Amino acid sequence: RKEVEQDPGPFNVPEGATVAFNCTYSNSASQSFFWYRQDCRKEPKLLMSVYSSGNEDGRFTAQLNRASQYISLLIRDSKLSDSATYLCVVNLEGGYNKLIFGAGTRLAVHP
Amino acid sequence: EPEVTQTPSHQVTQMGQEVILRCVPISNHLYFYWYRQILGQKVEFLVSFYNNEISEKSEIFDDQFSVERPDGSNFTLKIRSTKLEDSAMYFCASSEDGTRGGDEQYFGPGTRLTVT
Repeated sequence: RKEVEQDPGPFNVPEGATVAFNCTYSNSASQSFFWYRQDCRKEPKLLMSVYSSGNEDGRFTAQLNRASQYISLLIRDSKLSDSATYLCVVNLEGGYNKLIFGAGTRLAVHP
Repeated sequence: EPEVTQTPSHQVTQMGQEVILRCVPISNHLYFYWYRQILGQKVEFLVSFYNNEISEKSEIFDDQFSVERPDGSNFTLKIRSTKLEDSAMYFCASSEDGTRGGDEQYFGPGTRLTVT
């Protein structure tokens, strides 16, 4: 089983749409959770950390379900500039901050 | 806004040659990392570095790889004898510390290594 599993997409959505990405992780010892975005041939950029109670940053909402080992990201009012690959990332407890990346979900927002 | 920088942006080398990739982490960060991403694949952890020593390394990080913090600002990755399969984008990252909340890692723009 993959350590971090994501639907590769692509998700093709019109501007203004709401889109949700899901991710599952296999190691229950995972302690920290993040969403990064990656543009083509660029570095991963931290979008947001994901907290147990769920958290929101503007149009972005992240949720964590530890029991199901499931993380989600909701993007509201999609913009053209949201087009990118969204990476689900986990960090194991005691793993000296070794980040484990999912393969990413590609989002394409069209006019 | 402070950022991680990396040089060079692109390095072309012949198989068997040594390469050194350079990174300047964010200045108040204490943990440093190298990751790589082969074209079309996911980002993979190579090594983490704290307090002047390796704290964890992956199976990819074999004897051909080494890391060093030669001075107070630079963090380098050396590949002693490059192979074709080392061709990838190499990302340096840093984080403030290892605790929850301080463990957010910020990535540099990467060095694209092409081994011919």
